[in-house]
Amino acid sequence: DVKVTQSSRYLVKRTGEKVFLECVQDMDHENMFWYRQDPGLGLRLIYFSYDVKMKEKGDIPEGYSVSREKKERFSLILESASTNQTSMYLCASSFAGGNNEQYFGPGTRLTVT
Amino acid sequence: SQKIEQNSEALNIQEGKTATLTCNYTNYSPAYLQWYRQDPGRGPVFLLLIRENEKEKRKERLKVTFDTTLKQSLFHITASQPADSATYLCAHDSNYQLIWGAGTKLIIKP
Repeated sequence: DVKVTQSSRYLVKRTGEKVFLECVQDMDHENMFWYRQDPGLGLRLIYFSYDVKMKEKGDIPEGYSVSREKKERFSLILESASTNQTSMYLCASSFAGGNNEQYFGPGTRLTVT
Repeated sequence: SQKIEQNSEALNIQEGKTATLTCNYTNYSPAYLQWYRQDPGRGPVFLLLIRENEKEKRKERLKVTFDTTLKQSLFHITASQPADSATYLCAHDSNYQLIWGAGTKLIIKP
């Protein structure tokens, strides 16, 4: 079974802190994605990566950066957390040669106070 | 811009009946559509994919149709059960990404 894990299920940080969210997949997928999900707004793509060290901006990249140094790991970084970044963060991965069927992690609920 | 729409209102269905959810897309002709299930506080889980040249796809009690003329996909759950209660998301491909609908919350009442 494909497994996507995220470093934390719940996280509470203070405004201005640097926040790291880690995602690891074990299926050798080329593509990895970071989304945030807020009530009424659905899934919004922050960044994605189709290969090691490659990254592409999604719909809402402002205030975020990413790192993909190894194929299995994709990190989301909030350089200076703000209260409007309080959200559910979801990581996903998919196989490049397939139909982009995405496998999601359990999510990290981040609260910035 | 590419857009995919799902009914934002919750759908209440009596147990045992067929639940039908709708997904409409505009400004694009996707090669396929995907359907996912999402439970509260969890990530979406892939259910079914239907290609543009397939009229219908089935998996156990699930059935998906794809009408390229109407630019619509319908997702059916037959003999619905309370355990089917969840939010159902549709998505279509766009380069490396998926374009997501906002999801429809399905509530199956015993």
